[in-house]
Amino acid sequence: DAGVTQSPTHLIKTRGQQVTLRCSPKSGHDTVSWYQQALGQGPQFIFQYYEEEERQRGNFPDRFSGHQFPNYSSELNVNALLLGDSALYLCASSPQFSGANVLTFGAGSRLTVL
Amino acid sequence: AQKITQTQPGMFVQEKEAVTLDCTYDTSDQSYGLFWYKQPSSGEMIFLIYQGSYDEQNATEGRYSLNFQKARKSANLVISASQLGDSAMYFCATDQYGNNRLAFGKGNQVVVIP
Repeated sequence: DAGVTQSPTHLIKTRGQQVTLRCSPKSGHDTVSWYQQALGQGPQFIFQYYEEEERQRGNFPDRFSGHQFPNYSSELNVNALLLGDSALYLCASSPQFSGANVLTFGAGSRLTVL
Repeated sequence: AQKITQTQPGMFVQEKEAVTLDCTYDTSDQSYGLFWYKQPSSGEMIFLIYQGSYDEQNATEGRYSLNFQKARKSANLVISASQLGDSAMYFCATDQYGNNRLAFGKGNQVVVIP
């Protein structure tokens, strides 16, 4: 049973570019959350998707947007990249209305902005 | 808003010994969950243990136990009989019940030495 899979695992972009990160949730999970983890910090909540809609959002600018598809997979898009967007981006999935103790995280996509 | 504080410097632990990782939290919520995650160098966040704010008994999961002191807003993790594979970053987190939106601390680095 595959867990959460994320792609790409690593990527390098330059300032001003746009990036799309992808996430496939664990089988049986319908809710996807995205987190940003800067070097030496804990993950910070970006947003959460359920039924193809953004349900919750953290303190991130509109440059960060997302999408959820009918098969529950999700994308995170970041426009006009800044150096400060360099981070590990983690995707987590869960069944809706479950406790966070069933959150399953992927291994992340490491983004470097030059 | 919830806030998690983890202030211990990196720790070296002798194999087979116990280690305690400190975590204090600040929340105005009456109901909340407390979590500990392990993040090895591969990047994936691995769920270790959960404590509900209304749970009277401290949570235990195998070699992991959570020392929950609600009045002090403290949720320390105890790892017994450390193994080399326990070397990782450890993150304390909290959420409001049901929203699967975690707020993480900055983490504690643990290195287990033979």
